[in-house]
Amino acid sequence: ETGVTQSPTHLIKTRGQQVTLRCSSQSGHNTVSWYQQALGQGPQFIFQYYREEENGRGNFPPRFSGLQFPNYSSELNVNALELDDSALYLCASSLDNDSPLHFGNGTRLTVT
Amino acid sequence: RKEVEQDPGPFNVPEGATVAFNCTYSNSASQSFFWYRQDCRKEPKLLMSVYSSGNEDGRFTAQLNRASQYISLLIRDSKLSDSATYLCVVQGGYSTLTFGKGTMLLVSP
Repeated sequence: ETGVTQSPTHLIKTRGQQVTLRCSSQSGHNTVSWYQQALGQGPQFIFQYYREEENGRGNFPPRFSGLQFPNYSSELNVNALELDDSALYLCASSLDNDSPLHFGNGTRLTVT
Repeated sequence: RKEVEQDPGPFNVPEGATVAFNCTYSNSASQSFFWYRQDCRKEPKLLMSVYSSGNEDGRFTAQLNRASQYISLLIRDSKLSDSATYLCVVQGGYSTLTFGKGTMLLVSP
């Protein structure tokens, strides 16, 4: 069974640029969530997708957007990057809404 | 008031010690509760779910008090490998998780 995989593992971008982060869900999981974890903080919920539809969103601005594909893989897009967007971005998948989340290794984004 | 609050830490304990982590949550409608463990620069991993009746997994015991909106984790006979950050996590609707800030545990020889 393949776990949740994310790419890239590390990324450096400049303020104002755009970035796309990718996630492959664990096999059989149709729900994917994205979290942002700043240094020294707990992960903060960005949004969740279920069967290609967004079905929950945290307190993040519209420049954070996402997609889920028919194979349940997912993308997180962030436009107009700001310095405070520097964080570890975690993707998590679950079998359904009642099942525990399984996290990927994360993508560490640095905005300079 | 923050949605999920934990002891600020870090906790420094010797091997073999018993250590307790405390957590409170603000949303009384919360449905499920967990403790996750996060090693340095790694992703969070589910340690255990927390049930109202209390549950135990080896050296780890978790308790939930819904009336007080309080969650605890007890680690007995601490090992060096227990050193990590312990995240208190509350689940609302649609499996979204709200994490506490985490409490770091450092177990020394």
